[in-house]
Amino acid sequence: GDSVTQMEGPVTLSEEAFLTINCTYTATGYPSLFWYVQYPGEGLQLLLKATKADDKGSNKGFEATYRKETTSFHLEKGSVQVSDSAVYFCALSDSAKRGGADGLTFGKGTHLIIQP
Amino acid sequence: DAMVIQNPRYQVTQFGKPVTLSCSQTLNHNVMYWYQQKSSQAPKLLFHYYDKDFNNEADTPDNFQSRRPNTSFCFLDIRSPGLGDAAMYLCATSSGWTGEGKKTQYFGPGTRLLVL
Repeated sequence: GDSVTQMEGPVTLSEEAFLTINCTYTATGYPSLFWYVQYPGEGLQLLLKATKADDKGSNKGFEATYRKETTSFHLEKGSVQVSDSAVYFCALSDSAKRGGADGLTFGKGTHLIIQP
Repeated sequence: DAMVIQNPRYQVTQFGKPVTLSCSQTLNHNVMYWYQQKSSQAPKLLFHYYDKDFNNEADTPDNFQSRRPNTSFCFLDIRSPGLGDAAMYLCATSSGWTGEGKKTQYFGPGTRLLVL
């Protein structure tokens, strides 16, 4: 079945450091890939997405490139801020499944802590 | 401009006492989902509606039911909550399979359920 693997957290960085959160996946079909962010006590917010190979999703300084050859979708940011502290979830939606409406398969989440 | 609204944000119920959580959307999306998220875990899909078609995940307990009286509203009913059902419940919507916007899910803020 489909699965998403993320690096384990927590990840602790200093402000202005470079961020990478690794994400790899396995899927039956040709998935769409997503990064969601969850702040404490809140729901999930879509951060960025990519729907085909070599697409780059970007938002708020975060970027991730859909790499089909390595089945990866790593999240990067050049200079993190304290306000980026949150839990980040990598997720996929598999095109092989029926109807285009099935749920997302999530990774376990990576807790990011940015220290001033 | 709230798009996916969940009420209440916090719900306290007693062991075995039926409880209903509600979700509404202003996006006019075809698909509505319910996820369960336990502490420090990834969201887990319970079921979804594609228009009026109900789709249950194979491992969703019978204790969990859902209703969708119209496009805008969807309810999660827990018939006899147990202590293990304490979690964050997330509602999400999507327009289904529609080109570049396919399968992007938009989440509400969640309802945190406490079972006493």
